[in-house]
Amino acid sequence: NAGVTQTPKFRVLKTGQSMTLLCAQDMNHEYMYWYRQDPGMGLRLIHYSVGEGTTAKGEVPDGYNVSRLKKQNFLLGLESAAPSQTSVYFCASTSDYGYIFGSGTRLTVV
Amino acid sequence: AQSVTQLDSHVSVSEGTPVLLRCNYSSSYSPSLFWYVQHPNKGLQLLLKYTSAATLVKGINGFEAEFKKSETSFHLTKPSAHMSDAAEYFCVVIPSGSARQLTFGSGTQLTVLP
Repeated sequence: NAGVTQTPKFRVLKTGQSMTLLCAQDMNHEYMYWYRQDPGMGLRLIHYSVGEGTTAKGEVPDGYNVSRLKKQNFLLGLESAAPSQTSVYFCASTSDYGYIFGSGTRLTVV
Repeated sequence: AQSVTQLDSHVSVSEGTPVLLRCNYSSSYSPSLFWYVQHPNKGLQLLLKYTSAATLVKGINGFEAEFKKSETSFHLTKPSAHMSDAAEYFCVVIPSGSARQLTFGSGTQLTVLP
């Protein structure tokens, strides 16, 4: 089925650990985004990509890195997790016809 | 930078009564505006979008929104609330000159009372 798939769906990390969140889309979209959602703040853009091999910073990029080596995949990395990165992370992709969101990754950093 | 302001963080209505969720935007021209809904522990679903074709936009599940340039508003309405409408609603804009990234409002939590 066409769509945006995020893995994992849930994760608990200890402070200082690293991890990578994977976003995969099979719709040949050029644009992909990573957002984080925190209570009372809506979704805020972390990083985005306008095509394979390109990435750019969004509103809240500190503490995160991204890569887009293949068009269909957009990876979000946390090198040294902090409790402030406890959040729900959403990936999205878009074409000229609309945005498709993944189902989210709930990350807790203890 | 372009942004949206959702004027109410919480709205409570009785089932069968009208719903009004307020959103103001900041822009020097007609932006692309959206309303998304998020049910508890779920992802985001597009309700409707405005892209300058018509000022009154009809969406899914009986929702609609009216773009008012003079008031820089894009309020979401529904004539009669249903229990299943209880969710969080986000007003969203695409800033000009952006790589199509969506800028979200802070959200309005809608409670529907029986």
